Amino acid sequence: SSELTQDPAVSVALGQTVRVTCQGDSLRNYFASWYQQKPGQAPVLVIYGKNNRPSGIPDRFSGSTSGNTASLTITGAQAEDEADYYCNSRDSSGNHVVFGGGTKLTVL
Amino acid sequence: QVQLQQWGAGLLKPSETLSLTCAVYGGSFSDYYWSWIRQPPEKGLEWIGEINHSGSINYNPSLKSRVTMSVDTSKNQFSLKLSSVTAADTAVYYCARGGIVVLPGALYYYFDLWGRGTPVTVSS
Repeated sequence: SSELTQDPAVSVALGQTVRVTCQGDSLRNYFASWYQQKPGQAPVLVIYGKNNRPSGIPDRFSGSTSGNTASLTITGAQAEDEADYYCNSRDSSGNHVVFGGGTKLTVL
Repeated sequence: QVQLQQWGAGLLKPSETLSLTCAVYGGSFSDYYWSWIRQPPEKGLEWIGEINHSGSINYNPSLKSRVTMSVDTSKNQFSLKLSSVTAADTAVYYCARGGIVVLPGALYYYFDLWGRGTPVTVSS
């Protein structure tokens, strides 16, 4: 079982704001990173660290952390944001990598 | 432009050994950890293990008994072997570059570069 917990599915109306969350004890020590995965494609890093976006990632994607919960926020969701989203960090020992179970985002 | 190119056998029989290699083209090989990650059909991502240029290794405890990772710094390549495969090992296997940042008040780990994935099927 994953040490990071995500809601299996979330939906958002086109143009609205949605938050995808990730819970785990290791997030008290490590910031989460977030990945977007579309069908048949490799995951793509969208947020890492406190709130960093790799080059090419739209600024409607942002990240935050409170206690043991990390959040990925999409402000003004677009149809192309429909995808699976995964969080990851190191585990509490720091020796291993863990992923959340993933959240399927539907844009209505 | 940094790229990861991966290859290996895509069809195995139960009890055989899965073998995959990932080559790093461009960029630094020594500044990162290099991981293997897999994704069974219709399921989430599972980290298999990581290795760095000096051969320091961490494995997923659930797979540790069957996994061997190695690195060839002369070719900027790293490899995965998974022994005694079963149908449960059927998945898309990805190689990925892992970056870690350790600063006061800021620890984070991320995969910023991924291979295209190798589908592996285990079937008799």
